[in-house]
Amino acid sequence: DGGITQSPKYLFRKEGQNVTLSCEQNLNHDAMYWYRQDPGQGLRLIYYSQIVNDFQKGDIAEGYSVSREKKESFPLTVTSAQKNPTAFYLCASSSGTLTEKLFFGSGTQLSVL
Amino acid sequence: KQEVTQIPAALSVPEGENLVLNCSFTDSAIYNLQWFRQDPGKGLTSLLLIQSSQREQTSGRLNASLDKSSGRSTLYIAASQPGDSATYLCAVRGGYQKVTFGTGTKLQVIP
Repeated sequence: DGGITQSPKYLFRKEGQNVTLSCEQNLNHDAMYWYRQDPGQGLRLIYYSQIVNDFQKGDIAEGYSVSREKKESFPLTVTSAQKNPTAFYLCASSSGTLTEKLFFGSGTQLSVL
Repeated sequence: KQEVTQIPAALSVPEGENLVLNCSFTDSAIYNLQWFRQDPGKGLTSLLLIQSSQREQTSGRLNASLDKSSGRSTLYIAASQPGDSATYLCAVRGGYQKVTFGTGTKLQVIP
């Protein structure tokens, strides 16, 4: 089945620790995205990538980093500089054209210990 | 800056009712509008995508309409079922790769 796989489902971060969230897609999509979802708020864009080895900051990129070394993979690192990391993180992909739909993974819930 | 509003934030209806969810946006320069469903603790599932040149899209009991000039979209759910209980989000694709989401309407269908 084609889709987007996010792992882990739950993740806990200690003070001062960097953690990495995995996102893999087998849809052959060019564009991939990371969103953050907080209760009562809309999804907010952290980073996006339209092509391998290229990515752009979204609205709330501070405290996060990404890489895009392979078309299928777009991992997100939450660094110790992100002071309020507790949230639900969603990875998405699309073909890259402006008329195509977004597909989402099942999400990772990150909490601070 | 695009702003997307969904009213009401929560809705409770008895099973079998037809219902309408609303989505409004401030900038009519959009490429498309997408409706999603989200179950608690889960990702978003795409329901319908309406291109800017289209007026409506239908899938089963769902019908979504788009009035770009007035900045509005509606999602119509016919003969609601308890399994329809979820949060429904709309998302507008505007400028280059910019997608703006509403905060959603939480629907509860009571058996």
